[in-house]
Amino acid sequence: QQPVQSPQAVILREGEDAVINCSSSKALYSVHWYRQKHGEAPVFLMILLKGGEQKGHEKISASFNEKKQQSSLYLTASQLSYSGTYFCGTEGSRGTDSWGKLQFGAGTQVVVTP
Amino acid sequence: DARVTQTPRHKVTEMGQEVTMRCQPILGHNTVFWYRQTMMQGLELLAYFRNRAPLDDSGMPKDRFSAEMPDATLATLKIQPSEPRDSAVYFCASGDTGATGELFFGEGSRLTVL
Repeated sequence: QQPVQSPQAVILREGEDAVINCSSSKALYSVHWYRQKHGEAPVFLMILLKGGEQKGHEKISASFNEKKQQSSLYLTASQLSYSGTYFCGTEGSRGTDSWGKLQFGAGTQVVVTP
Repeated sequence: DARVTQTPRHKVTEMGQEVTMRCQPILGHNTVFWYRQTMMQGLELLAYFRNRAPLDDSGMPKDRFSAEMPDATLATLKIQPSEPRDSAVYFCASGDTGATGELFFGEGSRLTVL
């Protein structure tokens, strides 16, 4: 079952911040974040494992609340290069049929304008 | 620079024809995923393999789609017969730690079924 992302799209001016949310109805082992530029393949940003950790990649960071089965991606002081579609991918807990299986949400389109 | 290679990059075919898409995963990677991307559905998981064994293909229409991994350097996705609703971009991704690690995506095969 695919995770649910929100919002579907966001438009930012350079320097502004944004939050993208990802939620699942199933218990999760890991959450992945990828970014896809138009016409290109998705590219890995970061992975968060069960344990409530928070990670960062330049000015892009993420958190994972395993109890709520939710993750959020934070775009801080956005740059033009941050434009693209962001996907969260979720892997179910060990012992479930979705462990080892990475399923993606529908994506959030981010447009950063000058 | 190691990368996942997909062929063909573009394919236009007529309804009812057989289509075969190929993927060469990164050498040493033991996990291969096939995803289909459409505007409406985002990235849908079709099938995945670990150590060449198919672990899950529940995302594929069984009557027309088949996925195989005849050896460690080749994964195939076949559609027979193809239908217009199969038009999409098909991505292959490989990794070396299953879903709990970075996946490297190929550039995709854009399929148009007339």
